[in-house]
Amino acid sequence: EVQLLESGGGLVQPGGSQRLSCEASGFTFRSYAMGWVRQAPGEGPEWVSSISDSGDKTFYADSVKGRFTISRDNSKNTLSLLMNNLRAEETAVYYCAKYGERYLDYWGQGILVTVSS
Amino acid sequence: QSALTQPASVSGSPGQSITISCTGTSSDIEDYNSVSWYQQQYPDKAPKLVIHNVNIRPSGISDRFSGSKSGNTASLTISGLRAEDEADYYCSSHTRRDTRVFGGGTKLTVL
Repeated sequence: EVQLLESGGGLVQPGGSQRLSCEASGFTFRSYAMGWVRQAPGEGPEWVSSISDSGDKTFYADSVKGRFTISRDNSKNTLSLLMNNLRAEETAVYYCAKYGERYLDYWGQGILVTVSS
Repeated sequence: QSALTQPASVSGSPGQSITISCTGTSSDIEDYNSVSWYQQQYPDKAPKLVIHNVNIRPSGISDRFSGSKSGNTASLTISGLRAEDEADYYCSSHTRRDTRVFGGGTKLTVL
């Protein structure tokens, strides 16, 4: 059974940084691209970033490019998202997700990041 | 990247069929057969994949769910509506820039 468990959320001040982690199990982690999706309260999901199976290719939404960094450690089955210079409007539940072939097939339960002073 | 366009709400009675549309552009839906649909039954619950690659159901998803695409518009059809189908539904597509884009969501009410 695929399991994705996010951690690292919480309250952060505007302009601050936060690092999210996602521990994966139940599948061969190194064989799949992974991504992050966020969902602000009352809104639809917004794709944030993705990383190839080997980690050599990364992609970002324009809204986070230059501030967020996605990475993975295939030896530890872990995905990370480093978020810098956070803005109030980025308050959201952040989901870790596994890719199938150009689609996200499994999502974690999500973790809340609140950007507020 | 602009969000895909979905109707805000649809409704139907038990046993009926409903269709939710999802309109994109030539840079996403029209260019790729990578439309997927997600069901979110509660705001705090993770979205669940119900259709991928336009019209493929993952294992365990009822055959009452079906998908299609024409040009830059994709559609999700749910036949034989049941109370448990009441949820928010989101479409998503791969894009030419190797990113993904989601729709704004459609609230399905089963009357």
